[in-house]
Amino acid sequence: AQSVAQPEDQVNVAEGNPLTVKCTYSVSGNPYLFWYVQYPNRGLQFLLKYITGDNLVKGSYGFEAEFNKSQTSFHLKKPSALVSDSALYFCAVDGRGSTLGRLYFGRGTQLTVWP
Amino acid sequence: DAGITQSPRHKVTETGTPVTLRCHQTENHRYMYWYRQDPGHGLRLIHYSYGVKDTDKGEVSDGYSVSRSKTEDFLLTLESATSSQTSVYFCAISDSTSGLRGTDTQYFGPGTRLTVL
Repeated sequence: AQSVAQPEDQVNVAEGNPLTVKCTYSVSGNPYLFWYVQYPNRGLQFLLKYITGDNLVKGSYGFEAEFNKSQTSFHLKKPSALVSDSALYFCAVDGRGSTLGRLYFGRGTQLTVWP
Repeated sequence: DAGITQSPRHKVTETGTPVTLRCHQTENHRYMYWYRQDPGHGLRLIHYSYGVKDTDKGEVSDGYSVSRSKTEDFLLTLESATSSQTSVYFCAISDSTSGLRGTDTQYFGPGTRLTVL
């Protein structure tokens, strides 16, 4: 079965400091991994994805994520956090098998960046 | 933002009444999805469509039905709404340009907040 875990419900970081939002996954075969961000009262916005190739994936708004196969992790990172990065972040993995492009989402991590 | 609209954006209804939510896209994408978002659960797939008149169930499909008579429209119907269906509903779309299943990004609509009293 495919699943995603986001072990932290909340992450707090000061502006200018590096941030990490954690994600671990369980999937049969090679995973396709995604990060989305949700601002209040908005839909999800795509940040980045890992399909194959370089383990370090760069995405929108200065975010990047590192795929680590041995640790089954796909942590989201940013070198210097901004107050405007405060939002709800979701990790998702593609479900392989009979369902086309079906995403399994984590429960989300609320990121708060204080000034 | 991808060309996805959802209507209505907010709805309050009573238990036992039928409700239909509409997702409309202008991207001509083949795949469309309905998710519900609940605190502590992230997003869960209700139903999805891989073409006109081609639909299938997701993980939380009980109490919901869908229809897709045109590429651009994907309707979600609650035949008899219950309080447990109070949620925020998101539509998403994707295409198969890469040829690799699951690699194509899903883009989400703005959501519909449904309250069932």
